[in-house]
Amino acid sequence: EIVLTQSPATLSLSPGARATLSCRASQTVGNHLSWFQQKRGQAPRLLIFDASDRPTGVPARFSGSGSGTDFTLTISSLEPEDFAIYYCLQRSSWPLTFGGGTRVEIK
Amino acid sequence: QLVESGGGVVQPGGSLRLSCEASAFTLSGYAVHWVRQAPGKGLEWLAVILYDGTNKYYADSVKGRFSISRDISLNTVYLRMDSLTSEDSAIYYCVRDATALDLWGQGILVTVSS
Repeated sequence: EIVLTQSPATLSLSPGARATLSCRASQTVGNHLSWFQQKRGQAPRLLIFDASDRPTGVPARFSGSGSGTDFTLTISSLEPEDFAIYYCLQRSSWPLTFGGGTRVEIK
Repeated sequence: QLVESGGGVVQPGGSLRLSCEASAFTLSGYAVHWVRQAPGKGLEWLAVILYDGTNKYYADSVKGRFSISRDISLNTVYLRMDSLTSEDSAIYYCVRDATALDLWGQGILVTVSS
C-alpha cells in the first residue's frame, strides 16, 4: 500500500499569508493525487484533483503542483474561511490511501 | 446529493448495513467509495464499487468483514459491515467518483459499544 506523508502536521499562519503544504508518497503515484479541505463538523471538500486541476467553484488562490512522489498544495493568500484541515489522497493504486492531514490554524 | 442512512449504535460483534442514496444523478454511471473518520482522527478509505458494478476493492482493515454493493433500481449503494469492533466507530461517508472523489455525503455515525 502506498503511504502518504503530509507535512507539517500544523501550520500556524496569519490571514493574508501564503500557505505551502506538502504530501510525499512512498512510491510514485503519477499525477493521481487529490487534495481535500475539511472544516470542523463538515464532510471533506475536493479542492484539487490530478495534482493540479481545480474543480469548478474552487477559488483560484488554491493551487496544486507536483508529480511522482512529491506534491504541494499552495494557498496564495489565506482567507479566514481557509483555516481548516487539509488531506491528500492517492488514487493511483488500490487501496486508496489518505495522508494524515495538515491543520492550518490562525497564528 | 448523496444521503447516508442506517447508522447507529451496535454491539461489538454485531452487524450493520449502511445505505447511500443518490438524488439528481444516476449512481450506476460512477464509482462510489466509502470513507470513514474515527473521532478526532483522519480520513480512512474503506471500499469502492466501480461503475460496472462488478469490480470492488477494499482496505485491508475491512477486507472479509465489509461488503459493498449497489441496487441500480433504488439508485443506492450499500456497505454491509460484520464483526464490528470499537475500532469501527466512526463517521462513514459515501463519495461519488467522477474523475475524482468530487461529491461527499454528509456522513453517518456508527458507534460500536456494549
